[in-house]
Amino acid sequence: AQSVTQLGSHVSVSEGALVLLRCNYSSSVPPYLFWYVQYPNQGLQLLLKYTSAATLVKGINGFEAEFKKSETSFHLTKPSAHMSDAAEYFCAVSAGGTSYGKLTFGQGTILTVHP
Amino acid sequence: EAGVAQSPRYKIIEKRQSVAFWCNPISGHATLYWYQQILGQGPKLLIQFQNNGVVDDSQLPKDRFSAERLKGVDSTLKIQPAKLEDSAVYLCASSSNTGGTEAFFGQGTRLTVV
Repeated sequence: AQSVTQLGSHVSVSEGALVLLRCNYSSSVPPYLFWYVQYPNQGLQLLLKYTSAATLVKGINGFEAEFKKSETSFHLTKPSAHMSDAAEYFCAVSAGGTSYGKLTFGQGTILTVHP
Repeated sequence: EAGVAQSPRYKIIEKRQSVAFWCNPISGHATLYWYQQILGQGPKLLIQFQNNGVVDDSQLPKDRFSAERLKGVDSTLKIQPAKLEDSAVYLCASSSNTGGTEAFFGQGTRLTVV
């Protein structure tokens, strides 16, 4: 069984400040981990993914995440927030293989960026 | 490359009515998923198809929900009869079995049951 916990349903930062969105996972098998972003009335867009290669993963729009097995964490960061980063972010886990699209999602974190 | 297409984008129905959603995955993607996203929650998997066969439908409320994927391409998800608690966004996603490690999502269908 797999599960994801996102700490903080809402995060607010100033433009130019560090963005840190927290994600902890539970998995009985080596996990594949993903961060997706969702803009209002849109589908999910993949930001980045961890698939058992490098533990520090770089994604689109300046985001990155680090897989820490000892902490069962996969936190998302961006050094400097931009107004366009305001959206909802979802962390997700899958068992990989031929079912890496079979995802268990966290409850989401809404990121607000203020001037 | 065309993305995952879904229709309609929005649907409003009364409770006890029926409704159907359509999904066209990315060309060549063998695996197709339907997710339900209730407001304020993360998406939840309803059903997974591999080609035209069901791999996992353990979380599909089979008394009212049904899904099919004819010829291993397009898929439809049906609700009959709808309940108020079915109000949600229904997301379709597809993935390839021959490379790549991600699922691609459509824009979703927002269903409101009144």
